[in-house]
Amino acid sequence: GAVVSQHPSWVICKSGTSVKIECRSLDFQATTMFWYRQFPKQSLMLMATSNEGSKATYEQGVEKDKFLINHASLTLSTLTVTSAHPEDSSFYICSAGAPGSGNTIYFGEGSWLTVV
Amino acid sequence: SQKIEQNSEALNIQEGKTATLTCNYTNYSPAYLQWYRQDPGRGPVFLLLIRENEKEKRKERLKVTFDTTLKQSLFHITASQPADSATYLCALAYNTGGFKTIFGAGTRLFVKA
Repeated sequence: GAVVSQHPSWVICKSGTSVKIECRSLDFQATTMFWYRQFPKQSLMLMATSNEGSKATYEQGVEKDKFLINHASLTLSTLTVTSAHPEDSSFYICSAGAPGSGNTIYFGEGSWLTVV
Repeated sequence: SQKIEQNSEALNIQEGKTATLTCNYTNYSPAYLQWYRQDPGRGPVFLLLIRENEKEKRKERLKVTFDTTLKQSLFHITASQPADSATYLCALAYNTGGFKTIFGAGTRLFVKA
């Protein structure tokens, strides 16, 4: 199946700083990528839809100024958590739909963010 | 709003038995429904997709059924193995001018040797 890679796998940052998470589609081009957040034992919550070359579409309740999304190329989307706080600590996962895969979504391995 | 319900309690079964996981949803039926496996601390891995006009899909030891009347999907793992222990997520995709996917909270499966 198609491969989606995330980096870093885990990151620890200080409160008030910003951290960037990358999501790459390694063997296909993705015009659309998705960013999710998952708390322990809870469902994946869609944060935003990242569109190549245009602004991301954020879900209700997600602060666009706090979670900056950039989809500058067909293989890379980035999520920047700005002015991070401990409550932002979570598991962030990206996904993309591979063309010709029948709308199957492929997920990255996820990125653990801990804000101290 | 659309809601997805999966067994919130963990499912414990003996190796070799068939595991059956349930996914129920409210309101309108999705264009298609998917099942994913998620191991602790890892991203979900796609298993099977079934469309609204399909009743059943199989892949090796896995079987998925989709009943739009009952608004329910069942996910079966036959001849279960301890390696099948994981959380299984049900995901529904709706065409809202682009496909939007909503995930259930998942059911944790434990297969005992």
